[in-house]
Amino acid sequence: GQNIDQPTEMTATEGAIVQINCTYQTSGFNGLFWYQQHAGEAPTFLSYNVLDGLEEKGRFSSFLSRSKGYSYLLLKELQMKDSASYLCAVADSNYQLIWGAGTKLIIKP
Amino acid sequence: ETGVTQTPRHLVMGMTNKKSLKCEQHLGHNAMYWYKQSAKKPLELMFVYSLEERVENNSVPSRFSPECPNSSHLFLHLHTLQPEDSALYLCASSQSPSGPSGANVLTFGAGSRLTVL
Repeated sequence: GQNIDQPTEMTATEGAIVQINCTYQTSGFNGLFWYQQHAGEAPTFLSYNVLDGLEEKGRFSSFLSRSKGYSYLLLKELQMKDSASYLCAVADSNYQLIWGAGTKLIIKP
Repeated sequence: ETGVTQTPRHLVMGMTNKKSLKCEQHLGHNAMYWYKQSAKKPLELMFVYSLEERVENNSVPSRFSPECPNSSHLFLHLHTLQPEDSALYLCASSQSPSGPSGANVLTFGAGSRLTVL
């Protein structure tokens, strides 16, 4: 079967760096997505990786290793507003999105 | 208004009621989706519409009935629901119906929180 694994919850300190991991086993691969979802709000797109390597967007970076079935989202200079759930999703060979259950990130002052 | 708008934001209904969820997108997208989000579970795709034609139904119970009258509007009609159907129902849209890619990102609405008593 197809599966996405990510930690259920993580805690980090304001100003610090946190890495949220995502591992996947899917039938084919057509890209990996990260979305951010604040409580009671819509998920919003953060990043897309289809080739191996690191993609940087300001304080957020996303890394992909297709051979290892592994990605991470790196958040630098954490701010209180970064407290949210982070959803990992992979597009399989049919471009169906397979979703992880999300990682709830708690930022403490 | 811009983006994807869902109404109502909250809905409480009994098992014998009939209600509808509404979704509207102002992005000119050609594909629209219904997802179910339950606590600590992955998003579950329920229905996909491409250019107003239903292209996917992931074995969803018949008590959920979608309707897409045009490319900007999507409804989810609910009847004789069960308590386990209580969840957040998310609507999303994308530019192309060919599936998610870097150029075809999903834009979500804020969701309709459904409670079935």
